[in-house]
Amino acid sequence: GEDVEQSLFLSVREGDSSVINCTYTDSSSTYLYWYKQEPGAGLQLLTYIFSNMDMKQDQRLTVLLNKKDKHLSLRIADTQTGDSAIYFCAESPGTALIFGKGTTLSVSS
Amino acid sequence: GAGVSQTPSNKVTEKGKYVELRCDPISGHTALYWYRQSLGQGPEFLIYFQGTGAADDSGLPNDRFFAVRPEGSVSTLKIQRTERGDSAVYLCASSTSSKDTQYFGPGTRLTVL
Repeated sequence: GEDVEQSLFLSVREGDSSVINCTYTDSSSTYLYWYKQEPGAGLQLLTYIFSNMDMKQDQRLTVLLNKKDKHLSLRIADTQTGDSAIYFCAESPGTALIFGKGTTLSVSS
Repeated sequence: GAGVSQTPSNKVTEKGKYVELRCDPISGHTALYWYRQSLGQGPEFLIYFQGTGAADDSGLPNDRFFAVRPEGSVSTLKIQRTERGDSAVYLCASSTSSKDTQYFGPGTRLTVL
């Protein structure tokens, strides 16, 4: 069945890099997404990667995709306290997005 | 431009009551989605509209849940005979067409007492 797995928590110090990992199951996903959710807010699209790409960089964000292992990662460089949030990985095998349970990133100063 | 908007932001109701949740998508987006997010979970798909028609309602949990989009823009999610287990945040998203990037609204937090 469809299942997206993420580690639940990550704690880093301000200025360090954060790496959030995700495994997905459906190799037919055209795009893979990262969304950010701050407390009490909706989902904010952070970035996405097309399935035929290995890497995508967007300012402080780097997405790595390993299709063979169905592994996706999000690296945040120079993590700031404002990056504290829940990060969701999502695959798109059809029209609906399939989300993981989210990784809570805690950034301490 | 304006993003996806949802009203109300919070809704508290009693078990057994009927509720309606409204979503106003980004102008020009033909695809509209409803998801439900329970505490500590990721969003789960409920229903997808392409234009006025429900193209995929496979995520609706039972027949107490129904959604409409009569003019292909605003959508209403309707829940009859609410149960405590329906308490969750209901998220709406829209995209220019199916399989395009989905943009989410702020959600409606539903609490059933």
